[in-house]
Amino acid sequence: DAGVTQSPTHLIKTRGQQVTLRCSPISGHKSVSWYQQVLGQGPQFIFQYYEKEERGRGNFPDRFSARQFPNYSSELNVNALLLGDSALYLCASSLPGTLNTGELFFGEGSRLTVL
Amino acid sequence: RKEVEQDPGPFNVPEGATVAFNCTYSNSASQSFFWYRQDCRKEPKLLMSVYSSGNEDGRFTAQLNRASQYISLLIRDSKLSDSATYLCVVNSGGATNKLIFGTGTLLAVQP
Repeated sequence: DAGVTQSPTHLIKTRGQQVTLRCSPISGHKSVSWYQQVLGQGPQFIFQYYEKEERGRGNFPDRFSARQFPNYSSELNVNALLLGDSALYLCASSLPGTLNTGELFFGEGSRLTVL
Repeated sequence: RKEVEQDPGPFNVPEGATVAFNCTYSNSASQSFFWYRQDCRKEPKLLMSVYSSGNEDGRFTAQLNRASQYISLLIRDSKLSDSATYLCVVNSGGATNKLIFGTGTLLAVQP
């Protein structure tokens, strides 16, 4: 069975540009979460979506937005990129009610470099 | 104060050593606790949950002290393959129910 897939795996942008990152959850998983991991830090929560609705938002500016599609895939958009947005962006999927068991399944991430 | 705090290390230990990692969390309402493992340039993966009574999985033992808001992970008989970053994770609870990750502790097991 395919795990969580993310695209692109690597990308380079310049300041002020916009980026869209994509995620396909594990089949049967309806919840998708996005995390940002800066080098040397743990993952920071950005968004959680369940059944196409936003269920949670972390402490990130409005330049960050996301959505979930009817097939449960998701996109993360970041506008007006800053150098500090350079990070590994991780998507994770989970079954409903399993966050109490800590079972988040992560994709390999999209590594964004902003120049 | 960070919601989840860990010593970033690195912890450099010889094969066969016992090593312990500690973590503190700030939200006393947190209900669920975990350790994740992240290999270099890879995604995090769930290592084990942490239960109030303490729990063991092979060479790994996790402990929780709710009164002190303190979590620990003990690794016995360290293997080279244990080299990784160990992330302390707390479920925030509430409507969002998100997982909050610590900075991670880097373990390097030396031959």
